[in-house]
Amino acid sequence: AQSVTQPDIHITVSEGASLELRCNYSYGATPYLFWYVQSPGQGLQLLLKYFSGDTLVQGIKGFEAEFKRSQSSFNLRKPSVHWSDAAEYFCAVGASGNEKLTFGTGTRLTIIP
Amino acid sequence: SQTIHQWPATLVQPVGSPLSLECTVEGTSNPNLYWYRQAAGRGLQLLFYSVGIGQISSEVPQNLSASRPQDRQFILSSKKLLLSDSGFYLCAWAPIGGPRTNEKLFFGSGTQLSVL
Repeated sequence: AQSVTQPDIHITVSEGASLELRCNYSYGATPYLFWYVQSPGQGLQLLLKYFSGDTLVQGIKGFEAEFKRSQSSFNLRKPSVHWSDAAEYFCAVGASGNEKLTFGTGTRLTIIP
Repeated sequence: SQTIHQWPATLVQPVGSPLSLECTVEGTSNPNLYWYRQAAGRGLQLLFYSVGIGQISSEVPQNLSASRPQDRQFILSSKKLLLSDSGFYLCAWAPIGGPRTNEKLFFGSGTQLSVL
């Protein structure tokens, strides 16, 4: 069965600093990987996704993520965070032909001035 | 364009009362439909998914049930709520078919359920 681990429950960074949110997955074949963002009291918005091809994926709002098969990781990065990036971020893994998308427990991002 | 509607946004219910949360999708046909729950301090847990009318798959044995009476309508129900049913419930849809069924999940805005 597929699974996702987000080891950081809460991260605090200064505005303008760089960001990396960690995600590790477990799946026997090539996974489909996603990052979602959830603002307080809201649903989820897709930031980016990886299916195949270039392992560095660009998303919305200046985010990117890199798929590293050898490390079973799909970490999310942003070179310079803005106060509006404060939210909860979820990594998810799915598979072709599989209706289920498995989410990690999320990482809450706090931005300080 | 496609839209997903989920209501109510917030709900406070006493223990033992029934529950009905409704989700509808517009602008697409025969979507995959999902119910997720996000409990405080925990991640998103898949509760049910449906690939067609009347077809429901349950992921976690629990006090809840789901139904899909129409192609674009997905209902989450309970006959008697428990305290542990409190959480943030999210409905989602995805295009059906093709090699990448989960290519994209579109989420509703969620329902915050408090069972007291």
